[in-house]
Amino acid sequence: NAGVTQTPKFQVLKTGQSMTLQCAQDMNHNSMYWYRQDPGMGLRLIYYSASEGTTDKGEVPNGYNVSRLNKREFSLRLESAAPSQTSVYFCASILLGDNEQFFGPGTRLTVL
Amino acid sequence: GQQLNQSPQSMFIQEGEDVSMNCTSSSIFNTWLWYKQDPGEGPVLLIALYKAGELTSNGRLTAQFGITRKDSFLNISASIPSDVGIYFCAGHNAGGTSYGKLTFGQGTILTVHP
Repeated sequence: NAGVTQTPKFQVLKTGQSMTLQCAQDMNHNSMYWYRQDPGMGLRLIYYSASEGTTDKGEVPNGYNVSRLNKREFSLRLESAAPSQTSVYFCASILLGDNEQFFGPGTRLTVL
Repeated sequence: GQQLNQSPQSMFIQEGEDVSMNCTSSSIFNTWLWYKQDPGEGPVLLIALYKAGELTSNGRLTAQFGITRKDSFLNISASIPSDVGIYFCAGHNAGGTSYGKLTFGQGTILTVHP
């Protein structure tokens, strides 16, 4: 089991560029999440997918879109990157009814 | 959105010292979780607490679920250099429309000097 995997690990973008962050889990989990981590702010939820075919906004969704491609994969898209989106992005998943979210290793994104 | 207040924000300690950190919330949770994030990695679960008043240990780590269900504490005894990292508390209300969502504290950055 690879757990939760994320690609890429690092990315540098120019303002206005677009990109998609990929996340996949092989634990047959129902729900998946995208967070951003900024110094002193903890982990803030961007979007989540309670189950395959559904997505919902979290605390900080502006400037992002998501796609739950299938049960395994949940991608995060930045259509027009801004410097304020410089952050570390984490994907996580959970089996509904369980309490532990499992996290990926993160994607470190810099927007110049 | 809902936030947990975690303190202290950072700690600088000597190897061998004990560490305490806590988390408070304005609303109740039926589960409290403590995660650790090593530098350059994603958070990993350390301890999960399921009942008010519960005290749970995992090696040198001890965590408590507050009686009011609005707070939780984590203690680390006899710290070692590999304890370095960011510790996050998280609250969870399983079931209903929570869809597994966790509410995280801001994190405590722990530095251990050899």
